Amino acid sequence: DQQVKQNSPSLSVQEGRISILNCDYTNSMFDYFLWYKKYPAEGPTFLISISSIKDKNEDGRFTVFLNKSAKHLSLHIVPSQPGDSAVYFCAASARGGTSYGKLTFGQGTILTVHP
Amino acid sequence: DAGVIQSPRHEVTEMGQEVTLRCKPISGHNSLFWYRQTMMRGLELLIYFNNNVPIDDSGMPEDRFSAKMPNASFSTLKIQPSEPRDSAVYFCASRQGQQNSPLHFGNGTRLTVT
Repeated sequence: DQQVKQNSPSLSVQEGRISILNCDYTNSMFDYFLWYKKYPAEGPTFLISISSIKDKNEDGRFTVFLNKSAKHLSLHIVPSQPGDSAVYFCAASARGGTSYGKLTFGQGTILTVHP
Repeated sequence: DAGVIQSPRHEVTEMGQEVTLRCKPISGHNSLFWYRQTMMRGLELLIYFNNNVPIDDSGMPEDRFSAKMPNASFSTLKIQPSEPRDSAVYFCASRQGQQNSPLHFGNGTRLTVT
């Protein structure tokens, strides 16, 4: 039962253009969402997050959008740089209950930014 | 801050052998998580601890898997006996308490069971 899904295994974009990574979730109890970035042979590192009370959060070149009715979030990177090439994981957590604090990840999307 | 430290970085073992993965969380962090990464399922949560107590182990695949956290600075994940399908990268992560605090991951242990 994959509660967080990233349906695109890979994405290729040109340097300077926009990268859009998508994520869907099924659990309506999720109220906090995060994006992590992972380089080869390293652990994932936190990139940006958003609470369910917001629909947008921006940090420099990175913006996360949340559409609660569609249970969908996306990460926009503008402009994309070759150093952004990595695996991007979407993650979600729910407040309260036995799932409190538990972070559920998607399968990841490999982003390649070409010079 | 040394970050989350995992050992070994790579482990190659034969089917049926016992495997022990180790993790030292960031000092002061009170939650610790074990994840497994595979191509098909991405990052799967195996178990997590809060203040050294296991909170949710529903992700542990089978009885062959066990995890302990004897103190705030050390945790182990053991597989006995190991099987080829256990081959994956195993990550340990820690954080300071709150739901909205990001996890800090170690660099993982790549396990290969032949």
